[in-house]
Amino acid sequence: EDKVVQSPLSLVVHEGDTVTLNCSYEVTNFRSLLWYKQEKKAPTFLFMLTSSGIEKKSGRLSSILDKKELSSILNITATQTGDSAIYLCAVKGLSGNTPLVFGKGTRLSVIA
Amino acid sequence: DTAVSQTPKYLVTQMGNDKSIKCEQNLGHDTMYWYKQDSKKFLKIMFSYNNKELIINETVPNRFSPKSPDKAHLNLHINSLELGDSAVYFCASSQDWAGRGYTFGSGTRLTVV
Repeated sequence: EDKVVQSPLSLVVHEGDTVTLNCSYEVTNFRSLLWYKQEKKAPTFLFMLTSSGIEKKSGRLSSILDKKELSSILNITATQTGDSAIYLCAVKGLSGNTPLVFGKGTRLSVIA
Repeated sequence: DTAVSQTPKYLVTQMGNDKSIKCEQNLGHDTMYWYKQDSKKFLKIMFSYNNKELIINETVPNRFSPKSPDKAHLNLHINSLELGDSAVYFCASSQDWAGRGYTFGSGTRLTVV
């Protein structure tokens, strides 16, 4: 059974800090790893990492995939209160109909 | 236009009742899903449909019955509701096999009292 473990489960930082969120996975026939941000409603897509694209960056957010260690990190630099959310990591297997399997998320709170 | 829409957004009902949640997507996606998010925010797959056919049915009580009248709709009917069914239910759809194309509905918060 595919499995995703995220750490830490929750994190409180001050504005301006840099944070690193961790995700490790076990999946049969890995296709991709995805990061989502969930505030009050539905998860919104951040990044997708595959074997052919192991690092992504968008503004203050960046993510790296380590296929050897079966893990990924999500970095957020110069955090702002608007970054407060639950960050979800998910993996997808090769089969087209395989659903995303999610970790339990990391709840990030950024305080002023 | 909302890409994936769920109704209702909130549902409060008594134990033992039967209720339905509706989901519609206007993205032309072939695959639709139901996920349950518990109080600890864990998103867990319940069902997956591809072109109206059931593909995945995780270990979900048979009180939960999905129905897909066409590939744009996936409804969830729940019989004999229990307290433990209280959660947020998310519908999602996808076309991209890599997963990037996942679009979630805004969720239905079900509270069973």
